[in-house]
Amino acid sequence: EAEVAQSPRYKITEKSQAVAFWCDPISGHATLYWYRQILGQGPELLVQFQDESVVDDSQLPKDRFSAERLKGVDSTLKIQPAELGDSAMYLCASSLGGLPADEQYFGPGTRLTVT
Amino acid sequence: GESVGLHLPTLSVQEGDNSIINCAYSNSASDYFIWYKQESGKGPQFIIDIRSNMDKRQGQRVTVLLNKTVKHLSLQIAATQPGDSAVYFCAESAGGTSYGKLTFGQGTILTVHP
Repeated sequence: EAEVAQSPRYKITEKSQAVAFWCDPISGHATLYWYRQILGQGPELLVQFQDESVVDDSQLPKDRFSAERLKGVDSTLKIQPAELGDSAMYLCASSLGGLPADEQYFGPGTRLTVT
Repeated sequence: GESVGLHLPTLSVQEGDNSIINCAYSNSASDYFIWYKQESGKGPQFIIDIRSNMDKRQGQRVTVLLNKTVKHLSLQIAATQPGDSAVYFCAESAGGTSYGKLTFGQGTILTVHP
């Protein structure tokens, strides 16, 4: 069964350092999402791509976060500089299309700890 | 594994019992709702969905009920098994121009005792 791949699974970094996460969606899925999940809360959407284009980044802290999906396949989420409050699980999801009824498949996430 | 939800609502049941997990949503424009299951160390997994033009939908061992009058959603799990132990999230979408944007609720920890 096809799955969304993410790496690394765990990342520990010091504040003010740069960190990057990678996501490979299910083959053929046009829509890719990055979510942040703080311990004890539900996931919060950071950015949504339709192919290589950003369709929603309203919740992305653009002063320090950036995301790209250059060829419309895999994607990278970067934080520079990392802050203590960025410690969270970063989840990637993909779906065939961008409609609400298109099931989103989540990857295992990257657990970020900022010290 | 990680511990998700140190301060989330919790529900403890015995194996074989039925479980009911509740969720209140706030956006009256939401027209699509989903329940997700998240096991420790994993991403959320789709369980069942329902559109706002329905008030009930059944799947395998699960039923979702939607009450739009009071903006309430529930997930019923029949014959709960230890493998059902996880954090359960409801999510809502307003559709329209919101693409697939989902807003997740707080989550409920379900623990099933053998």
